Amino acid sequence: GAVVSQHPSWVICKSGTSVKIECRSLDFQATTMFWYRQFPKQSLMLMATSNEGSKATYEQGVEKDKFLINHASLTLSTLTVTSAHPEDSSFYICSARDMLTGRDYGYTFGSGTRLTVV
Amino acid sequence: AQTVTQSQPEMSVQEAETVTLSCTYDTSESDYYLFWYKQPPSRQMILVIRQEAYKQQNATENRFSVNFQKAAKSFSLKISDSQLGDAAMYFCAYRRTLMDMRFGAGTRLTVKP
Repeated sequence: GAVVSQHPSWVICKSGTSVKIECRSLDFQATTMFWYRQFPKQSLMLMATSNEGSKATYEQGVEKDKFLINHASLTLSTLTVTSAHPEDSSFYICSARDMLTGRDYGYTFGSGTRLTVV
Repeated sequence: AQTVTQSQPEMSVQEAETVTLSCTYDTSESDYYLFWYKQPPSRQMILVIRQEAYKQQNATENRFSVNFQKAAKSFSLKISDSQLGDAAMYFCAYRRTLMDMRFGAGTRLTVKP
């Protein structure tokens, strides 16, 4: 089945530094990647949608200059948290659209990244 | 806007018994998908079951089945013969074709031995 590899699984960084999270589709072409954030004991909230070769579309309230998304190829999308602060500490998870025989079949989730900013 | 509501923050079931998790959603669309995802402590999102809105037949996956009431915009998950490994957070989710997925607040399921 479709697999999305997300790295790193966890990261600790100092306040003010930047962190890059990668999501790779291993056996399919991810034309669209969705990035979610999940705070403890809360649901997944969509941050942004990225289409390969295009600028990402951000949800209201998400700072696009802080959360940089690059989707330069059909198998790789990255989320960079710039100038991270403790309030950015969260669980970040990506989801890729898996097209099967031309029909929208299902989405595959990465395993998530736990970011802690100290 | 599409919203997903899970009114049960926590549920508990005895091992081998049956439990039903509730979900309602709001949409003006006619073509969409509904999902139940399981999130164990590892936080990996695991697809439990999927339902296409155009299908009248309720989806079933082994011990998991849904009761899809399109007119009522209700999508409940029934877990039969509950097992200890079923303990997790369960999220109901809605998605239009080719669009992003929207999640409910989740229900934490505890399975008692």
